[in-house]
Amino acid sequence: DGGITQSPKYLFRKEGQNVTLSCEQNLNHDAMYWYRQDPGQGLRLIYYSQIVNDFQKGDIAEGYSVSREKKESFPLTVTSAQKNPTAFYLCASSMPGNQPQHFGDGTRLSIL
Amino acid sequence: GENVEQHPSTLSVQEGDSAVIKCTYSDSASNYFPWYKQELGKGPQLIIDIRSNVGEKKDQRIAVTLNKTAKHFSLHITETQPEDSAVYFCAAEVTGGGNKLTFGTGTQLKVEL
Repeated sequence: DGGITQSPKYLFRKEGQNVTLSCEQNLNHDAMYWYRQDPGQGLRLIYYSQIVNDFQKGDIAEGYSVSREKKESFPLTVTSAQKNPTAFYLCASSMPGNQPQHFGDGTRLSIL
Repeated sequence: GENVEQHPSTLSVQEGDSAVIKCTYSDSASNYFPWYKQELGKGPQLIIDIRSNVGEKKDQRIAVTLNKTAKHFSLHITETQPEDSAVYFCAAEVTGGGNKLTFGTGTQLKVEL
């Protein structure tokens, strides 16, 4: 089945620790996105990539980093600089030009 | 940048009734408007979308209307069923904006028996 796989489903981070969230898609989509979801705030864009080896900051990029070395993969690192990392993180992908974004089932990150 | 407002934040209807969720957007260059349904612990799923060259689109019990002049669009669900209970998000994409979506804050729909 084609789709987007996020792993792990639950992740715990200690203070001062970096963690990396995985996102893999086999839809052959060019564009990939990372969103953060907090209760009552909808989805906010962290980073997006329209093509391999290129990515842009979204609305809340501070404290996060990404890479796009392969078309099918777009990992997100939550660094120790992100002071409030507890949230539900969603990855999405799409073809360019007003095409639907398809979402994974998310990773819930919590601080120990 | 684009700003999307969504109302109401919660909506409770009786099974079989209709539900309407409304969104407004700020950027007149927006031309693509998807609606997503999110169940607990899952990622959002696209349920319907509309592009700016169309005023209305329908798919079985779900319809979306778009008023570009007023910059608002609405989701209509008829004959609601308990499985329609979920959080619904509207979104808008600006032409030439790098395929970025701006989301509304969501509507928690509860369909009561």
